[in-house]
Amino acid sequence: AQKVTQAQTEISVVEKEDVTLDCVYETRDTTYYLFWYKQPPSGELVFLIRRNSFDEQNEISGRYSWNFQKSTSSFNFTITASQVVDSAVYFCALRTLNAGNMLTFGGGTRLMVKP
Amino acid sequence: KAGVTQTPRYLIKTRGQQVTLSCSPISGHRSVSWYQQTPGQGLQFLFEYFSETQRNKGNFPGRFSGRQFSNSRSEMNVSTLELGDSALYLCASSPEAGEGNEQFFGPGTRLTVL
Repeated sequence: AQKVTQAQTEISVVEKEDVTLDCVYETRDTTYYLFWYKQPPSGELVFLIRRNSFDEQNEISGRYSWNFQKSTSSFNFTITASQVVDSAVYFCALRTLNAGNMLTFGGGTRLMVKP
Repeated sequence: KAGVTQTPRYLIKTRGQQVTLSCSPISGHRSVSWYQQTPGQGLQFLFEYFSETQRNKGNFPGRFSGRQFSNSRSEMNVSTLELGDSALYLCASSPEAGEGNEQFFGPGTRLTVL
């Protein structure tokens, strides 16, 4: 069985601060995919990144960066110089190779960026 | 390309009624998945359809069912509604089944059961 844990239920920062959202996953499969999604108040889940289990390279996209470490089963997400528009709920998700398109989501982290 | 569309966006029903929600995937996408989001249980997978066949099913009672049409549009049906079925129902589409494909989500249908 798969499991994704986002221990931080809510984080509050002041604009321009850096913030890291933690994600820890569990799976016995050797091939899997990890995702981050953003859910603004409108409700739609917005895809941010996908990472496969064979690619441990960290990735940076503008103010966003992701740190994937298989040794600790973690896939953390950092926002540098946060902005008010980053306020949303962020979800980490896992999909294994044999599970079709079924995503197992973590509980989400609500990020509030205050001006 | 138009994104994933879901209709209706909001729905109010009473206990015991049934409801049908609709999802139109991104043009060319053949996989459609449904998720239920509630404050207590979070985001939970309901089922996935690919080429009109159900490929995966989550741990939900038989009152929850779905289907996919030849044009990849999908519907989900909930019969004998219960108060606990109040949730945001999200649909996601993907080009193919499995592998590393991203899933693109629609805006959701917010169902309230009174």
